[in-house]
Amino acid sequence: GAVVSQHPSRVICKSGTSVKIECRSLDFQATTMFWYRQFPKQSLMLMATSNEGSKATYEQGVEKDKFLINHASLTLSTLTVTSAHPEDSSFYICSARDFGQGALGYTFGSGTRLTVV
Amino acid sequence: EDQVTQSPEALRLQEGESSSLNCSYTVSGLRGLFWYRQDPGKGPEFLFTLYSAGEEKEKERLKATLTKKESFLHITAPKPEDSATYLCAVYRAAGNKLTFGGGTRVLVKP
Repeated sequence: GAVVSQHPSRVICKSGTSVKIECRSLDFQATTMFWYRQFPKQSLMLMATSNEGSKATYEQGVEKDKFLINHASLTLSTLTVTSAHPEDSSFYICSARDFGQGALGYTFGSGTRLTVV
Repeated sequence: EDQVTQSPEALRLQEGESSSLNCSYTVSGLRGLFWYRQDPGKGPEFLFTLYSAGEEKEKERLKATLTKKESFLHITAPKPEDSATYLCAVYRAAGNKLTFGGGTRVLVKP
């Protein structure tokens, strides 16, 4: 089945620094990837849709300049949290669609726990 | 705007005590409803996709059903390893994205 690898699984950074999270589709090409944010005991909130070779589409209320998304290849999307602050601490999850499987289903990465101190 | 509401928010069960989780939705042009399982600190794990009212799918102790307004996830004779958060999400024709419900946290005690 389709596998999505997300790295790192945990990261702690100092306030004001930037952090990059990688999302890779391991055995399929993903023209579209999705980035979600999840707070404790809450559900997944879509932040942005990452499109290979073009600009990401951000959901309302998500700061484009803070959450930079790059989808430079068919197997890799990155999310960079710039000038991170403690309120950016959260669980970030990426997802990708394997159109080759002909299903509507999405495959999720294992998530990245970001802690800003 | 798409809305997905899951109930209850939390569910404590004794091992073997069957129960059902509810996912009610309001979406135009539903293309699919998904159920996922999420363990703490992990990404969601795919369980089922339901496409049309009346459809049912089963996997081990789990059975998912779909009507025009809601979906149920039935857990039959649950075991402690079924403890997790169960998420439902809807996908519609326009938008190319999933809308998630708030999830139901299930704890099965031995």
